[in-house]
Amino acid sequence: QLQLQESGPGLVKPSETLSLTCTVSGGSISSSSYYWGWIRQPPGKGLEWIGSIYYSGSTYYNPSLKSRVTISVDTSKNQFSLKLSSVTAADTAVYYCARVAAVRIQFDYWGQGTLVTVSS
Amino acid sequence: QSVLTQPPSVSGAPGQRVTISCTGSSSNIGAGYDVHWYQQLPGTAPKLLIYGNSNRPSGVPDRFSGSKSGTSASLAITGLQAEDEADYYCQSYDSSLSGPLYVFGTGTKVTVL
Repeated sequence: QLQLQESGPGLVKPSETLSLTCTVSGGSISSSSYYWGWIRQPPGKGLEWIGSIYYSGSTYYNPSLKSRVTISVDTSKNQFSLKLSSVTAADTAVYYCARVAAVRIQFDYWGQGTLVTVSS
Repeated sequence: QSVLTQPPSVSGAPGQRVTISCTGSSSNIGAGYDVHWYQQLPGTAPKLLIYGNSNRPSGVPDRFSGSKSGTSASLAITGLQAEDEADYYCQSYDSSLSGPLYVFGTGTKVTVL
């Protein structure tokens, strides 16, 4: 059974960089059939796609966040990571990592999510 | 920034049928891209409920069904049960001028009366 697990600091100061890692177990991140993505959900609000990456390193970012986002992949560790720079309180959210089926583009497996609070 | 519009809430009594609409545009649903649906129980991660407009992943009850027409899609829940009380989101792909992106609906809270 595929599992995804987010890890990283739960508290980040304003103007600093948010960094999270997603560890994939029960399957290979190098599968050609899938992308890997990050989605966030501010408290009490809806879902927002942040960006996605293919095992080869090709990335796709939400245009509204593109200037601040970097997603990378480490196939040797079966992990992919998110960096979001210059954070503000508006970036406070639960951050999810997920697997994206490449053909029909659905998020078919999700991590449990991790709350990141931006506060001084 | 959601480009897919859903009703904020729907409700129904146990056993009833409820439907949730998801309205998009010519750059996403209307362009032929698939619509997927997710169920988010309180305090948990979203779970894929319907993929490719009308397909159920293994383990999803057949009480849940999806359809798509034109620039809109719908999720139907028949025989509503207490455990169906959750938030539901549609999702598609948008080929906007600013770049391709994955888009989610605004979300709908289903209340079982």
